[in-house]
Amino acid sequence: GQQLNQSPQSMFIQEGEDVSMNCTSSSIFNTWLWYKQDPGEGPVLLIALYKAGELTSNGRLTAQFGITRKDSFLNISASIPSDVGIYFCAGGDNYGQNFVFGPGTRLSVLP
Amino acid sequence: DAGVTQSPTHLIKTRGQQVTLRCSPKSGHDTVSWYQQALGQGPQFIFQYYEEEERQRGNFPDRFSGHQFPNYSSELNVNALLLGDSALYLCASSLELRNEQFFGPGTRLTVL
Repeated sequence: GQQLNQSPQSMFIQEGEDVSMNCTSSSIFNTWLWYKQDPGEGPVLLIALYKAGELTSNGRLTAQFGITRKDSFLNISASIPSDVGIYFCAGGDNYGQNFVFGPGTRLSVLP
Repeated sequence: DAGVTQSPTHLIKTRGQQVTLRCSPKSGHDTVSWYQQALGQGPQFIFQYYEEEERQRGNFPDRFSGHQFPNYSSELNVNALLLGDSALYLCASSLELRNEQFFGPGTRLTVL
């Protein structure tokens, strides 16, 4: 079946640093979503991408839909303590179905 | 505006038992998807309901079944529970043909 890989698996950064993480697949997706999950809670949607090459921002977060449609990237600028959590990418089709999630990138921010 | 709600929050069952989990979608949403999230992993798609019918199904056995009611709320039923069914079960709602799925807080199921 379809699988997504996320890297890095985990990262420790200093508060104020920028963060980059990516998500890759052997399959093509028509939609990429990025979620953040805090302990004991459900994932929260951060950014949705619908078009190859698309670059979308949400505050300090910026995500890109790779031109091959097999990857996506998420950047966080000027990290703060509340950015701590697990970031998941999810790839899907055009119709809200068949979403596949990656294993997540665990982000820790050191003061 | 109420978000996605799930009940119960936590549940403990023994092997062989049956369980029913419940989900109320975000106001205005008509599509409900269920996911299983094992510890340390990403959510895995179980199935999706729209117009009271199962529209899409992931790679899960028939022991996993569901239902959607006319008010768009949904239930997930798991029969003959196995130890490996222990996980966080997440419900996500969306508008039909829209990709943005909004998740509830999940139900933590422990099978002993």
